[in-house]
Amino acid sequence: EVQLLESGGGLVQPGESLRLSCAASGFIFTPYAMSWVRQAPGKGLEWVAAIRGSGERTFYAGSVKGRFTISRDNSKSTLYLQLNSLRAEDTAVYFCARDSHALDLWGQGTLVTVSS
Amino acid sequence: DIQMTQSPSTLSASVGDRVTITCRASQSIGNWLAWYQQRPGKAPKLLIYKASNLESGVPSRFSGSGSGTEFTLTISSLQPDDFEIYHCQQYNSYPYTFGQGTKLEIK
Repeated sequence: EVQLLESGGGLVQPGESLRLSCAASGFIFTPYAMSWVRQAPGKGLEWVAAIRGSGERTFYAGSVKGRFTISRDNSKSTLYLQLNSLRAEDTAVYFCARDSHALDLWGQGTLVTVSS
Repeated sequence: DIQMTQSPSTLSASVGDRVTITCRASQSIGNWLAWYQQRPGKAPKLLIYKASNLESGVPSRFSGSGSGTEFTLTISSLQPDDFEIYHCQQYNSYPYTFGQGTKLEIK
């Protein structure tokens, strides 16, 4: 089955760090760019970051640039998002998505809550 | 960044109605526009890509049109499963951006 499965979310305090993972299965991972998209409670979708298939280029939303780092391990078919210096406004469900013809495959999401 | 403005934010309609949702881009994005449907608590589902291309498995009552800065999603005859939230998204350039969403509710 073609799927993406996120993990790594949880409750953290402001200023702390977290690493999210997204395991891909059922398709060849390497050729595809991948994105992270988040959704704060009751809000719309916000694109966060993207990475090319080989990992040589990365892109970020202004709201996370310098704090978040996207990476991938093609040998493990896994996408990562390192979240540093977390703020309350980073509280959201984080989805990973395959960037093919638009974002055509999504994971179920993992919740990150930043609160003291 | 390219701003995406979606309207209306809420749309009330009945089963069988034809409805249209509009998405406007702050600058030309060619036809690099996607539409997604989202059920509460679930991941978005791709409906339309490249403005007018129907994703595999999506019912033909969904259609998209437009280019440049103005785009529409049309549902030709609403079914009970269609009363969800719809998002547009430009993928012409990074950072990708989404509209604020349209909630389609039963009248």
